[in-house]
Amino acid sequence: EVQLVESGGGLVQPGRSLRLSCAASGFTFDDYAMHWVRQAPGKGLEWVSGISWNSGSIGYADSVKGRFTISRDNAKNSLYLQMNSLRAEDTALYYCAKDTHDSLELPVDWGQGTLVTVSS
Amino acid sequence: QSVLTQPPSASGTPGQRVTISCSGSSSNIGSNYVYWYQQLPGTAPKLLIYRNNQRPSGVPDRFSGSKSGTSASLAISGLRSEDEADYYCAAWDDSLSGAGVFGGGTKLTVL
Repeated sequence: EVQLVESGGGLVQPGRSLRLSCAASGFTFDDYAMHWVRQAPGKGLEWVSGISWNSGSIGYADSVKGRFTISRDNAKNSLYLQMNSLRAEDTALYYCAKDTHDSLELPVDWGQGTLVTVSS
Repeated sequence: QSVLTQPPSASGTPGQRVTISCSGSSSNIGSNYVYWYQQLPGTAPKLLIYRNNQRPSGVPDRFSGSKSGTSASLAISGLRSEDEADYYCAAWDDSLSGAGVFGGGTKLTVL
């Protein structure tokens, strides 16, 4: 059974940084691309970033480009999202999600999310 | 403003068939697969349809997807009360450096 467990969320002041982590289990992690998708309170889903199995292909939404960095450690079965220069509009539940295959397509399996609140 | 356009709401009575549309452009739906997700209140999204019309194991065959040109649709037949949820379409967008894009979501109410 695929398990994706996010951590690292919390309350942070505008302009500060936060690093999210996602621990994956139940599948061969380095066989799949991975994604981060977020959902602001009461709003819809927004794709944030994705990374291929070997980190050779990476994509970002325009809203986070230049501020967020996605990475993965296949030896640790882990996905990360480094978030810098945080803004109030980054407040959301951040989901870690597994792709259909090794290159970037779209999420198949989702974690339960970790909440990030950006406020002074 | 979402890149993919969905109606904000849809409704039907038990047993009915409802469809939810998703409109995009040549850079997303027109040239890539469409995925559909169901999100029940307070839960993580769940994959309903992948690669336009493929159902993951465990998803009832009451749910079906189709795509034509730059639009896609999700059909739910034999509507049930437990289908009341938010539904999202998604596609990869090849414009600029590539990115995933979602529709704004459709709130389905079972009357």
